[in-house]
Formats: sequence, C-alpha cells, structure tokens
Amino acid sequence: GESVGLHLPTLSVQEGDNSIINCAYSNSASDYFIWYKQESGKGPQFIIDIRSNMDKRQGQRVTVLLNKTVKHLSLQIAATQPGDSAVYFCAENILGTYKYIFGTGTRLKVLA
Amino acid sequence: DAEITQSPRHKITETGRQVTLACHQTWNHNNMFWYRQDLGHGLRLIHYSYGVQDTNKGEVSDGYSVSRSNTEDLPLTLESAASSQTSVYFCASSDRDSTDTQYFGPGTRLTVL
Repeated sequence: GESVGLHLPTLSVQEGDNSIINCAYSNSASDYFIWYKQESGKGPQFIIDIRSNMDKRQGQRVTVLLNKTVKHLSLQIAATQPGDSAVYFCAENILGTYKYIFGTGTRLKVLA
Repeated sequence: DAEITQSPRHKITETGRQVTLACHQTWNHNNMFWYRQDLGHGLRLIHYSYGVQDTNKGEVSDGYSVSRSNTEDLPLTLESAASSQTSVYFCASSDRDSTDTQYFGPGTRLTVL
C-alpha cells in the first residue's frame, strides 16, 4: 500500500488492552503537536492534537500527554481494537508557520 | 462528500523523464501541500501553496515544481526524474490557518528506474 514502515518499531498489544505510543520531538520552540494514524494503502489521518499550554488532552478512546521538560509526547489508546492496527506518528509545529516536523512512526499490531 | 484525490496511484518512469502527479481537493481549502515519505524519514515537505497563484518551497524542493491555477488542484512536476525521487508522495490540504487540520490524499507510489 501507499505507506512506508518495513523497518519501523513495532508495538504489539492484545485486543482490549491499552496502548501507549511514544514520540520524542526535536524542537524546543515547537508549540503545537499532532498525532496521525496511517493505515496501509492510505494517507495519514488526524487523530488528536495538543497545544503547548496543555499537558493532557482527551478524545474518544485516545489521550495525548505532553511533557515539555523532556520534549516527549505520548498517545494512549484505550481498549485497543483490531481497527487500531496502523502506523502512528507524531508531528510538531511552531504556531503560525506551515513547517511541520513529522516523526517516522511506530507500527501498532493488535493481537486477537 | 468532500475529498482529496491523487492520480495516478502508482507510476513507474525512467530517469530523465518529466512526470506530473495530480492532486485534487473538493474541500475548497486555501492551503495545499506536497510531501514525500521515505523509509527512515518522516513526511518531508516539498512545496506548499496558500492560495491561487501562490507557491512556496519546502525543505526538499530541488527537482520539483508546482503551480496553483485554481483552488482545487496542485499538480507536482518532476522536471527530470531521478532515482532519488523514488518515493511515496502525499498531497494534503487545509482550510486557512497553520493549525487547521491537514487532510491527506491516498498517496502516489512513484518508482524511477
């Protein structure tokens, strides 16, 4: 499909368990962060975002945590489902610019 | 429903040929972007446009060009394809602001032999 990821780190989780995917971002000036999901053969899909004035943001079954001190971002997926199997990557941005820095991603495999 | 499409989905070409990848969005978005995705790299920005007649270079623009003659389309042209341009190409669009969600197309896998 239209995705790359043969050599990506892989996280395998049992269906129904919670998943935690981590991302270290590079620019201390970044103040806006996004998590994307990319299924095989498809383009990236927006999941959730967070601004640097927040530490945590929750969506439907997903939570993003931001630790600016160590430049770390995590995505938590509750009650992981087979449909969650995909590559997940983070992106960082400086507000007001169109320059995004994208991570290389983590492959999530959900085991039945 | 509004969408963003890319064509072709797969393309094989030879070194030195000119190639154009199409991107069409029906969101009526102002902003459009072209990225390439390669093993070991995150998405990298090639070119982007804030609106009709506006184009800007991204971080990996050498060997690529774009034109924006209308709101819906941002074709990406490889003037003289090189093997280093073998990649998966994604087009994206967003409404107006830099934090508006970018909607991505399905991608084009380009192989340059």
